[in-house]
Amino acid sequence: DVKVTQSSRYLVKRTGEKVFLECVQDMDHENMFWYRQDPGLGLRLIYFSYDVKMKEKGDIPEGYSVSREKKERFSLILESASTNQTSMYLCASSLNRGRSTEAFFGQGTRLTVV
Amino acid sequence: AQKVTQAQTEISVVEKEDVTLDCVYETRDTTYYLFWYKQPPSGELVFLIRRNSFDEQNEISGRYSWNFQKSTSSFNFTITASQVVDSAVYFCALSVWAGGTSYGKLTFGQGTILTVHP
Repeated sequence: DVKVTQSSRYLVKRTGEKVFLECVQDMDHENMFWYRQDPGLGLRLIYFSYDVKMKEKGDIPEGYSVSREKKERFSLILESASTNQTSMYLCASSLNRGRSTEAFFGQGTRLTVV
Repeated sequence: AQKVTQAQTEISVVEKEDVTLDCVYETRDTTYYLFWYKQPPSGELVFLIRRNSFDEQNEISGRYSWNFQKSTSSFNFTITASQVVDSAVYFCALSVWAGGTSYGKLTFGQGTILTVHP
């Protein structure tokens, strides 16, 4: 059974803290993604990675960075958390087969910044 | 740039009614892929279907069916004889080929909240 696991379901952090959201997949997928979900806006892409140590900005990268040191792990970093980063964060992975394949999602991390 | 619009923010039906969720997309790419995902209260997005831009055949899977029309840039989703377990947020999404440089990035619609009452 395919699996994308996010380290926390719920997080509460203080403004200015450095926050790490971890994501691990066990499907040997090349592509990994971080999306942010907000009501009325759907999911928006923050960053993605198509290989180890490779990363590219998505549509809303400001205030975030990522790390992919191993193929199975993709971390999202909030350098200095702010209240407007309170949101649901979803990690996903997919195969890179020369065509677009379906993405598999984690259960999400609901982050509250106070 | 790509865009996906789900104009219906919320839909409420009574069990056994049929319901159609609308999805309209915009892209200049000629090779693209359309998806529907379901997000139950647990939060995890569940893949339902993928269609590529060269395959306009409609598809039926049990109570679910999809109508893809390139002429109107629409990819609508119908649930027949809805059930309470169908209550969820449904997302339509688009990915373009872009010569293989897209890496499966998805552009999502705003989502439609479907509530099925017993």
